[in-house]
Amino acid sequence: AQRVTQPEKLLSVFKGAPVELKCNYSYSGSPELFWYVQYSRQRLQLLLRHISRESIKGFTADLNKGETSFHLKKPFAQEEDSAMYYCALKTGSARQLTFGSGTQLTVLP
Amino acid sequence: ETGVTQSPTHLIKTRGQQVTLRCSSQSGHNTVSWYQQALGQGPQFIFQYYREEENGRGNFPPRFSGLQFPNYSSELNVNALELDDSALYLCASSLATTGGLPEAFFGQGTRLTVV
Repeated sequence: AQRVTQPEKLLSVFKGAPVELKCNYSYSGSPELFWYVQYSRQRLQLLLRHISRESIKGFTADLNKGETSFHLKKPFAQEEDSAMYYCALKTGSARQLTFGSGTQLTVLP
Repeated sequence: ETGVTQSPTHLIKTRGQQVTLRCSSQSGHNTVSWYQQALGQGPQFIFQYYREEENGRGNFPPRFSGLQFPNYSSELNVNALELDDSALYLCASSLATTGGLPEAFFGQGTRLTVV
């Protein structure tokens, strides 16, 4: 069965430091992976998807099929990056999202 | 700001009761998915509707049911509420095309508390 694992529930870094949010997945098919973000008192929204190979708000994520990972990285964290981040895998006949349990990122001043 | 709206925002029900949650999809979207998010967990897929038909279902019992209307608004119904049904319920809409299912836009959620 498909599974998404985010090993860190909480992550704190200082402003300007690099940040990496870890995501590992288990899926027998060809994975389609996403990062969603939820800022305080806002709704869940898409941050980026691996097929686009894009950089959004300075964040990038590379799919590593060998390590079954899709870690989210940013070289210089900003205070406005503080939020809950969810890694998600699109699976199933309905192409639904399987989410990890999330990582709460806090960027300290 | 996305166009997905959910009502009500908060709800308290007693164990054994029934509840109906509502979702208004973003204009033009023909697919709606419902997710349950328990405290401290990521959202978990309940089911999806496409053009008024159930299109996929997660690991939830039959007392969780849904409807999608011709205007693509949607309802989630839960019968015989249990304490463990207390959670945030999220609705997400998207536009399914022959090319696949692109980005899902989420509503703000309904917080259901069962006492």
